[in-house]
Amino acid sequence: QKEVEQDPGPLSVPEGAIVSLNCTYSNSAFQYFMWYRQYSRKGPELLMYTYSSGNKEDGRFTAQVDKSSKYISLFIRDSQPSDSATYLCAMSSDAYSGAGSYQLTFGKGTKLSVIP
Amino acid sequence: NAGVTQTPKFRVLKTGQSMTLLCAQDMNHEYMYWYRQDPGMGLRLIHYSVGEGTTAKGEVPDGYNVSRLKKQNFLLGLESAAPSQTSVYFCASSYSQGDPSYNEQFFGPGTRLTVL
Repeated sequence: QKEVEQDPGPLSVPEGAIVSLNCTYSNSAFQYFMWYRQYSRKGPELLMYTYSSGNKEDGRFTAQVDKSSKYISLFIRDSQPSDSATYLCAMSSDAYSGAGSYQLTFGKGTKLSVIP
Repeated sequence: NAGVTQTPKFRVLKTGQSMTLLCAQDMNHEYMYWYRQDPGMGLRLIHYSVGEGTTAKGEVPDGYNVSRLKKQNFLLGLESAAPSQTSVYFCASSYSQGDPSYNEQFFGPGTRLTVL
């Protein structure tokens, strides 16, 4: 079993739809959870991060972490064509918990297309 | 600030040729990373460095070497290129003293390498 599982899609939705992207993980030491967005032929860039469990909202984006289920989600409200990209989840343990903990473990990414 | 830059952007090699990819960052980051990204495989860590003069192997180090002689630069070398090394290579950097501990990684724009 991979440490981080993410459905690669592709996922195609109409403009204005609510999008739900998800990852599951197996390593209970993960404490930091991130979502990166990668436009075509570009490098990934950090979209949101959360620490431990809970929700975090930033504009149309909401990140949720359920550590008891080892499940994280990213919701996009009122999706726009400009949201079309590949979304990668990433996780790490506490940055101060020892060698290697600064490394990120990435999901394979979900390719999202928002159709006008 | 330029952030993370990569040179070159594109390269075509013949099997057996060698080349060096250059990564530079101007954020005074301690940690630097080289990834490769292949369809269906996600981002895979090749080598990383936790400081000037130090390097370590990641998930897929075979066929690659790295050096970090200066804090701001991280070089990835292919001594004898193989078609299996055709990929998109991303450099990333993270962590300055005093940063929050979630360890956001900043990515460069990528180098598209084709080995014939």
